[in-house]
Amino acid sequence: AQSVAQPEDQVNVAEGNPLTVKCTYSVSGNPYLFWYVQYPNRGLQFLLKYITGDNLVKGSYGFEAEFNKSQTSFHLKKPSALVSDSALYFCAVRDPTSGTYKYIFGTGTRLKVLA
Amino acid sequence: DAGVTQSPTHLIKTRGQHVTLRCSPISGHKSVSWYQQVLGQGPQFIFQYYEKEERGRGNFPDRFSARQFPNYSSELNVNALLLGDSALYLCASSSKTGSGANVLTFGAGSRLTVL
Repeated sequence: AQSVAQPEDQVNVAEGNPLTVKCTYSVSGNPYLFWYVQYPNRGLQFLLKYITGDNLVKGSYGFEAEFNKSQTSFHLKKPSALVSDSALYFCAVRDPTSGTYKYIFGTGTRLKVLA
Repeated sequence: DAGVTQSPTHLIKTRGQHVTLRCSPISGHKSVSWYQQVLGQGPQFIFQYYEKEERGRGNFPDRFSARQFPNYSSELNVNALLLGDSALYLCASSSKTGSGANVLTFGAGSRLTVL
């Protein structure tokens, strides 16, 4: 069965420091991988996706993610965190052969950027 | 352009009642998906509709049903509400079915509280 794990409930980082939010997945075949961000009382906003190709994917707001097939990981990164990056981050996986938009989401990681 | 709009934004029901949640996709988007997000968890897939046909169903009881209208808007219905149905219900739209790497665009959600 497909699954996504976000091992950290919360990540704290000082403003200006690099940040990493971890995600590992378990799925057969070659999955599509996504990162979404959720601000309070808002829906999920798309950050970036990995389909195929270059293992380093660049997305919105300066975020990037590194796909590692051998470690089945897709960690979200940003070189310099901003206080405004504080939010709830979700990793998601989709089986491209399913023919549906059934995303499997992780439980989320709350990022807190301290001024 | 308007994004994905959902109504109502908040509602309170009692156990045993039914609820109807509504979603209008982005103009031109023909696919609508519904997700349930319980507090502290990631969103879970409920349904996907494309061109008024159900394309996917998650692991939810038959009390949950949905439909899509000719204008591609959608309704999610939940009957015989239980306390455990309290959640944020998210609607997402996309331009295509489940093929390709199309990204889901989420609405802000309808927060349902069951007392």
